[in-house]
Amino acid sequence: AQTVTQSQPEMSVQEAETVTLSCTYDTSESDYYLFWYKQPPSRQMILVIRQEAYKQQNATENRFSVNFQKAAKSFSLKISDSQLGDAAMYFCAYIRAGTYKYIFGTGTRLKVLA
Amino acid sequence: DTGVSQDPRHKITKRGQNVTFRCDPISEHNRLYWYRQTLGQGPEFLTYFQNEAQLEKSRLLSDRFSAERPKGSFSTLEIQRTEQGDSAMYLCASSSLDSLTVDTQYFGPGTRLTVL
Repeated sequence: AQTVTQSQPEMSVQEAETVTLSCTYDTSESDYYLFWYKQPPSRQMILVIRQEAYKQQNATENRFSVNFQKAAKSFSLKISDSQLGDAAMYFCAYIRAGTYKYIFGTGTRLKVLA
Repeated sequence: DTGVSQDPRHKITKRGQNVTFRCDPISEHNRLYWYRQTLGQGPEFLTYFQNEAQLEKSRLLSDRFSAERPKGSFSTLEIQRTEQGDSAMYLCASSSLDSLTVDTQYFGPGTRLTVL
């Protein structure tokens, strides 16, 4: 069975600094997708970034980028120039291609310090 | 496009009562999902609809749970004879079938259920 592990329950970063959130996953599949979702307090979960496993190039969305290491089954999220609005729970998710069921990690709570 | 909406946002009920939640997906999305999220955990898959057909139910969805999506539009999730263990956030998500890539799921704000 596929699993997703986020080993950092909580992280803190100073405003304007860079932080990296870790995610590892376990799968025997070769075709899959990985996502980072952000869940602000009492607000809905929104997509931050997604990565197709068949793509070697790491995905980037403005201040957010990933370090996708397929062989190591690692998918970390880097947030550059952190802003107060980045404070939230961040969830890593996996989905096998051709299916519809996300498997989520337990989340990392990010605090941004002014 | 106003996103996925859920109603109510909060529900407090007594053990043994029935509750029903509603989800309105993004209008052009034909796939709809329900997840449950407990404190300190990531969302866990409950069930999935493609149009009006319920194609999968998780083992987490006991006989007390039932979900419908009449006419492939909004969906309801009903919990009968609620138990304290049902207390959780119930999330709805929707997506659009794309044969070229996997769907990206868009989530609603959730319904927080508290069973006393």
